[in-house]
Amino acid sequence: DQQVKQNSPSLSVQEGRISILNCDYTNSMFDYFLWYKKYPAEGPTFLISISSIKDKNEDGRFTVFLNKSAKHLSLHIVPSQPGDSAVYFCAASGGGADGLTFGKGTHLIIQP
Amino acid sequence: GAGVSQSPSNKVTEKGKDVELRCDPISGHTALYWYRQSLGQGLEFLIYFQGNSAPDKSGLPSDRFSAERTGGSVSTLTIQRTQQEDSAVYLCASSMRQNYEQYFGPGTRLTVT
Repeated sequence: DQQVKQNSPSLSVQEGRISILNCDYTNSMFDYFLWYKKYPAEGPTFLISISSIKDKNEDGRFTVFLNKSAKHLSLHIVPSQPGDSAVYFCAASGGGADGLTFGKGTHLIIQP
Repeated sequence: GAGVSQSPSNKVTEKGKDVELRCDPISGHTALYWYRQSLGQGLEFLIYFQGNSAPDKSGLPSDRFSAERTGGSVSTLTIQRTQQEDSAVYLCASSMRQNYEQYFGPGTRLTVT
């Protein structure tokens, strides 16, 4: 049973436009959410996080939104740049697990 | 060191052999985690260390898997009698404390032939 779901395996966005990556979760005990970016043959790189007591966190071009009632979070990247092309993983902490629970990732492709 | 390091970066082994994977966490990070990523899958949590102790080993896929951490620093993940389904990228991460941002190493790509 997948507790963190990223329903879009891939997403293509034009350079300069907004990229919106979505994530849904089922475990209401999750209390901290993170986004990671991963290039091929490298480990995931931490991007941005949000606590369950907040609904928005912004860091430069990256903003994460959390809708607890819908058990949904999203990552907005604006403006999108070619270097943003990578696989993005949504992860959740808490819920009784010692480690992070990850989604399967969304491959973001930024078109020139 | 500046980041989490793992060795070897790649390991090809024959079915039935034992392998040992190593992780050097970021200095001062007390929490250490092992994950694995199989082809086309997300990251699967294996085990967590707080200091040298692992409170819960139930995330390990089978009793062929074991892990230890010594001196609150280096950790090794050992897989005995490897099977083809063990082929994956094994990732180590560390953090200042549990449930805080985790920083990942580059991973060890294990291929069992």
